[in-house]
Amino acid sequence: QKEVEQNSGPLSVPEGAIASLNCTYSDRGSQSFFWYRQYSGKSPELIMSIYSNGDKEDGRFTAQLNKASQYVSLLIRDSQPSDSATYLCAVNGNYGQNFVFGPGTRLSVLP
Amino acid sequence: EAQVTQNPRYLITVTGKKLTVTCSQNMNHEYMSWYRQDPGLGLRQIYYSMNVEVTDKGDVPEGYKVSRKEKRNFPLILESPSPNQTSLYFCASSSRQGAHEQYFGPGTRLTVT
Repeated sequence: QKEVEQNSGPLSVPEGAIASLNCTYSDRGSQSFFWYRQYSGKSPELIMSIYSNGDKEDGRFTAQLNKASQYVSLLIRDSQPSDSATYLCAVNGNYGQNFVFGPGTRLSVLP
Repeated sequence: EAQVTQNPRYLITVTGKKLTVTCSQNMNHEYMSWYRQDPGLGLRQIYYSMNVEVTDKGDVPEGYKVSRKEKRNFPLILESPSPNQTSLYFCASSSRQGAHEQYFGPGTRLTVT
């Protein structure tokens, strides 16, 4: 059974700090990796996607992938109270195999 | 506007009464999927479809059926709902076989008594 694990949190950081979210996965054949943000009662929305080892930056967000260690992380710089949400890590295998989501990490950014 | 729609948004029903939750997307996406979300368990995939007439089981398919007769629609059918199917359900679509961003519908909150 493919598994994706995340710390459930809550992770609390002060406004302006860097929030670091981590995710590990069990299937070595996984090819695509995604971070979604979900506000309470809302549907998930894509923050970042990453497909190759290394870092990928988009504004205040940086995704990091290490396939050898089977982990993917998300860094949020200059955290804002509006970043307070649950962050879901999702992993997908080859050829459209089913997506597997982690349980999510709840982030709270304190003003 | 590109979107995924689900209906109904809220549903309270009784054990054993068949129901269908509809999902429709207007982006001409090939890939569609159904998830359920439960506290502490995150999003779990129920069924997915890579194209018309092509469906496959996800991680938690028991008690559910799907069909994909048209590209835009992917209904979720509960033939005999039970209380353990009380959950928040999301439909999602993607332009290709899962390697791309999934767009999620607004969710359907189902309560089975």
